[in-house]
Amino acid sequence: EADIYQTPRYLVIGTGKKITLECSQTMGHDKMYWYQQDPGMELHLIHYSYGVNSTEKGDLSSESTVSRIRTEHFPLTLESARPSHTSQYLCASSVRTSGSYEQYFGPGTRLTVT
Amino acid sequence: AQSVTQPDIHITVSEGASLELRCNYSYGATPYLFWYVQSPGQGLQLLLKYFSGDTLVQGIKGFEAEFKRSQSSFNLRKPSVHWSDAAEYFCAVGTLAGNMLTFGGGTRLMVKP
Repeated sequence: EADIYQTPRYLVIGTGKKITLECSQTMGHDKMYWYQQDPGMELHLIHYSYGVNSTEKGDLSSESTVSRIRTEHFPLTLESARPSHTSQYLCASSVRTSGSYEQYFGPGTRLTVT
Repeated sequence: AQSVTQPDIHITVSEGASLELRCNYSYGATPYLFWYVQSPGQGLQLLLKYFSGDTLVQGIKGFEAEFKRSQSSFNLRKPSVHWSDAAEYFCAVGTLAGNMLTFGGGTRLMVKP
């Protein structure tokens, strides 16, 4: 059973506010990811990290930023939230097992910007 | 670039009936293929994966999938569906040994009693 946590689970916030979505994992995985998922749609990778002090942008352009100061922690920040940021954000971490990587997902944060 | 297509957006089956969810991929090299399930308000859970060997792979919860290279497909099957299987199912293709995933649009499964 994977242990990856996201807080808050739900967030409703006004336009222009700064927000940080938290993601933590207790498995010691080096690789971590942030995905954005609109309702009924596929997941799009917005950020990933291969380890401490490593961050990269994903396939989908995002105004958010991430940091990786500790292995277990991979927070995502929006400096000024806008209604277009309304979405579900999923955090994941991965480990290599049986010849390939497997990603483990957190429960997600559903963000609504009014 | 890789891509994944799940042709069926919604599927409804009766409880106890068999199930097949379709997945087609596009990728130049040998693919790493995954099926995930997402229950409402939850994250994704890995059902099964394929990257080499036997083309019929078994997963959790009684699911299996068959890799067919000639058809670029990786369809998910279950012989008898339970009401608790109602969820969203995502197929994904991975590069770098599965490290980077590209997801399909998902198939929403509904189960009739």
